[in-house]
Amino acid sequence: GAGVSQSPRYKVAKRGQDVALRCDPISGHVSLFWYQQALGQGPEFLTYFQNEAQLDKSGLPSDRFFAERPEGSVSTLKIQRTQQEDSAVYLCASSLSPGASSYEQYFGPGTRLTVT
Amino acid sequence: TQLLEQSPQFLSIQEGENLTVYCNSSSVFSSLQWYRQEPGEGPVLLVTVVTGGEVKKLKRLTFQFGDARKDSSLHITAAQPGDTGLYLCAGANFGNEKLTFGTGTRLTIIP
Repeated sequence: GAGVSQSPRYKVAKRGQDVALRCDPISGHVSLFWYQQALGQGPEFLTYFQNEAQLDKSGLPSDRFFAERPEGSVSTLKIQRTQQEDSAVYLCASSLSPGASSYEQYFGPGTRLTVT
Repeated sequence: TQLLEQSPQFLSIQEGENLTVYCNSSSVFSSLQWYRQEPGEGPVLLVTVVTGGEVKKLKRLTFQFGDARKDSSLHITAAQPGDTGLYLCAGANFGNEKLTFGTGTRLTIIP
């Protein structure tokens, strides 16, 4: 497909486990974003890449959260020593190029993480 | 910190009625987007507005960006069950691509 894909779609982790969430952006999209969405809320920004460079990680809630995009395409969001408050939907989005006046982003379906 | 407040938080109306959803902030945004999100899916972009006072129409949906670029509204005419979903506004600023999302409006259209 031509859209943003994420895997896994659902992940159940026991408290203290590490998890890795994958995002495949739309081919050719330069910018990639990660957002966290709690139940019934709007998404909240976590971090942002332009190609392989992580330009903003101000939204990462703690040093247990780490994101990478080593080749400027696929990105992985890793959460170490998961806690119950990490339970949320993690959304990935991509956009064509920086500097566009509209900043339109295209979202994947999300990964629902449940920490038990 | 820029915040976007949406109202109402929940709205349930009969098919065929009209409705308006509001998105308000104390901060100025360079552009504002509206998304609709269905359960188990990511947000889908409906429209982007960039000019103060701009009005855009998408079939039965009318979007307006406030003159001061601090607020926006979404008006739906003759609502249909397919309009059901979570409506999110999101603001962005030049030089910073990250989106600041509103609190969301959950809309239910009753057949």
